[in-house]
Amino acid sequence: GQNIDQPTEMTATEGAIVQINCTYQTSGFNGLFWYQQHAGEAPTFLSYNVLDGLEEKGRFSSFLSRSKGYSYLLLKELQMKDSASYLCAVRENSGYSTLTFGKGTMLLVSP
Amino acid sequence: ETGVTQTPRHLVMGMTNKKSLKCEQHLGHNAMYWYKQSAKKPLELMFVYNFKEQTENNSVPIRFSPECPNSSHLFLHLHTLQPEDSALYLCASTPGGLAGKNEQFFGPGTRLTVL
Repeated sequence: GQNIDQPTEMTATEGAIVQINCTYQTSGFNGLFWYQQHAGEAPTFLSYNVLDGLEEKGRFSSFLSRSKGYSYLLLKELQMKDSASYLCAVRENSGYSTLTFGKGTMLLVSP
Repeated sequence: ETGVTQTPRHLVMGMTNKKSLKCEQHLGHNAMYWYKQSAKKPLELMFVYNFKEQTENNSVPIRFSPECPNSSHLFLHLHTLQPEDSALYLCASTPGGLAGKNEQFFGPGTRLTVL
């Protein structure tokens, strides 16, 4: 089984940088995913980490430390449209590609 | 637009009704998933199909019955649901298999209300 923990809510201002943390416990790690979900819409894929280190993709970066069971999603130059829920999900070795999701972090970006 | 469509987008049903949710993916993927998303809870995996075969049933009550006639279509048949089954039901697909990133592509979901 898995236990995934992320903050429930965060607030930030436009143009700022925000870091959303995710900690997990799993018996067989096989990748960590971050998804963005706007209210009433489908989750959309943001990033994937399977090895330790930082993956950068435009304004978004994701970091993984497997030994610490820890990841973060870093959002730079925040825009109002970044207000959304950010979901951390972990895949175990045993699953084809089945993911266990955290509860999500609701990010509110204010002017 | 993720290439995964779901119908209907909204559904209201009584506890004695029978209804079905439909999911279709246009991505050539071989694995499809049903998730339940309730308020203030994590996405809960319900069923997984790989190459039309059910590979995971996450202890889902029998009032939910999945069907996967081919790799592009997935149904969720609903019968004698309870009010606590009200939630957003999301369908997802992946290329399939065990290797690689294999990220999930989600449909927009069906918002289900059980009265």
